[in-house]
Amino acid sequence: EDKVVQSPLSLVVHEGDTVTLNCSYEVTNFRSLLWYKQEKKAPTFLFMLTSSGIEKKSGRLSSILDKKELFSILNITATQTGDSAVYLCAVDRDDKIIFGKGTRLHILP
Amino acid sequence: EAQVTQNPRYLITVTGKKLTVTCSQNMNHEYMSWYRQDPGLGLRQIYYSMNVEVTDKGDVPEGYKVSRKEKRNFPLILESPSPNQTSLYFCASSPGGESYEQYFGPGTRLTVT
Repeated sequence: EDKVVQSPLSLVVHEGDTVTLNCSYEVTNFRSLLWYKQEKKAPTFLFMLTSSGIEKKSGRLSSILDKKELFSILNITATQTGDSAVYLCAVDRDDKIIFGKGTRLHILP
Repeated sequence: EAQVTQNPRYLITVTGKKLTVTCSQNMNHEYMSWYRQDPGLGLRQIYYSMNVEVTDKGDVPEGYKVSRKEKRNFPLILESPSPNQTSLYFCASSPGGESYEQYFGPGTRLTVT
């Protein structure tokens, strides 16, 4: 059975800390891995990763995929209170999308 | 403004009363999808559509129907809603092809009593 597992399930850190969120997957017909941020409402897109070892960056956020070990990490440096959210990892398996349960990140001021 | 819209945003209904949740996108996206989000279970895909007249089951299609008669619209139909379909529903769209950067609608909170 296909699955996407995120860890940790929740995380509390202080503003300014660096955090690493993990996503491992076991799926057939992998095509891409996606990261989303969900605050109080709908998820918003962060990154799409298709190739191993190529880091994607956007400001303080970065992500990388390891297709051999079947995992991805999302790094957030110099965290701010506005980074508090649920971070979702999803995998596209031939057009069908499966999401992990998310990591709830809370940044303390 | 590029967006995905859903209606209604909130709905309380009774068991067995047919309902439709509409979804529309203005980005000319080929791929559209419906998800439900439940505490502890995360987002689960109900149905998706690669293009007009092409729909496929996701991981939790039971009790739902969809149609894609026009590129911009992808309604979700519950023929006979049951309490276990109480959930937060999201519609999403993406360009398709090799791009699955999905844009999500604002969500529809459905309660079935």
